[in-house]
Amino acid sequence: NAGVTQTPKFQVLKTGQSMTLQCAQDMNHEYMSWYRQDPGMGLRLIHYSVGAGITDQGEVPNGYNVSRSTTEDFPLRLLSAAPSQTSVYFCASRPTSGRPNQTKFGPGTRLTVL
Amino acid sequence: QQQVKQSPQSLIVQKGGISIINCAYENTAFDYFPWYQQFPGKGPALLIAIRPDVSEKKEGRFTISFNKSAKQFSLHIMDSQPGDSATYFCAARPQGAQKLVFGQGTRLTINP
Repeated sequence: NAGVTQTPKFQVLKTGQSMTLQCAQDMNHEYMSWYRQDPGMGLRLIHYSVGAGITDQGEVPNGYNVSRSTTEDFPLRLLSAAPSQTSVYFCASRPTSGRPNQTKFGPGTRLTVL
Repeated sequence: QQQVKQSPQSLIVQKGGISIINCAYENTAFDYFPWYQQFPGKGPALLIAIRPDVSEKKEGRFTISFNKSAKQFSLHIMDSQPGDSATYFCAARPQGAQKLVFGQGTRLTINP
């Protein structure tokens, strides 16, 4: 199993550009989520999904879109990047039933918006 | 709003000492309290977790102490080693929810 994979690892954007952060998992996990990590703020939930076709907002959803067309993939879209979206983004997944300690995080994408 | 408050923000401990990181949560009912360890350039990884019906859980050198009445829980690292140098996050899961609410993180440095 590859676990949770994220691409790209690093990205630099200009203000106003759009891009998609990719996240995939091969563990057949129903629940997937996106977090952003900023110094002194911990990890904050952006969006999450409990299964294909179902998504919901987290704490800080503004400026981000998600979709879940398959169990494996959960892309995060920035429609018009802003400097405030400079952060490290982590994707995570886990089964919806069973032991909660099965949550797995990806390696992260470091995004800089100029 | 931050429902889980973590302190200190950074901590320096000598090798062999005890590292203590504290978290406090507010009014929301939580039913699961994990701690994550994160090394530079990596994603967080589960270190140890506790449920609110238990006051203490120990795994090797790592212990969680849980005080339900005070709404506080803490991570103790005994005999701290340079390899323990990392950022540590506490978290809590609201009852009936799948998501986790994280604390602000503590950067731990163990001096040799």
